[in-house]
Amino acid sequence: AQTVTQSQPEMSVQEAETVTLSCTYDTSESDYYLFWYKQPPSRQMILVIRQEAYKQQNATENRFSVNFQKAAKSFSLKISDSQLGDAAMYFCAYSWGPGTYKYIFGTGTRLKVLA
Amino acid sequence: GAGVSQTPSNKVTEKGKYVELRCDPISGHTALYWYRQSLGQGPEFLIYFQGTGAADDSGLPNDRFFAVRPEGSVSTLKIQRTERGDSAVYLCASSLNRLNTEAFFGQGTRLTVV
Repeated sequence: AQTVTQSQPEMSVQEAETVTLSCTYDTSESDYYLFWYKQPPSRQMILVIRQEAYKQQNATENRFSVNFQKAAKSFSLKISDSQLGDAAMYFCAYSWGPGTYKYIFGTGTRLKVLA
Repeated sequence: GAGVSQTPSNKVTEKGKYVELRCDPISGHTALYWYRQSLGQGPEFLIYFQGTGAADDSGLPNDRFFAVRPEGSVSTLKIQRTERGDSAVYLCASSLNRLNTEAFFGQGTRLTVV
């Protein structure tokens, strides 16, 4: 069965600094998708970044980038130049399924940004 | 609509009662998902619709939970004989089709069973 593990319940970063959130997963599939979602207090899950497993190049979206290590089954998120608005819960998610493409989420990391 | 809309935003019900939670997906999205997020946890998959049919309901915890999507748009999650353990945030998401794995989420319904 596929699993997603986030071992950091909470992280803090100083405004304008860089922080890395960790995620590991387990799967026997060779092709799948990985995501980082942000969940602010409004509860809405917002897609931050997506990575296709078949792509070797790490995905980047402005201040957000990932370090995808397929052999190690590791998928970390780096946030550069942290802003107060980045404070939220961050969830790592895995998706695969020829009939479903349902997501499996980790337990989340709460990110605090200190002014 | 512009985004996924879920109603009500919050629902408090007594143990043993029946509740319905509504999800209005983004217009044109054929894939629709329900997730349940318990306190301090990540969302857990409940059910997936492709069009009007439930293509995967493997996440429904028991037969008290049921969901429909009769016209391939709005979906309703129905919970019978609610229990305190059903208290959670119920999230709905939709995507253009099942091959488009970017799902857009609503703000969820917080269900509290007292």
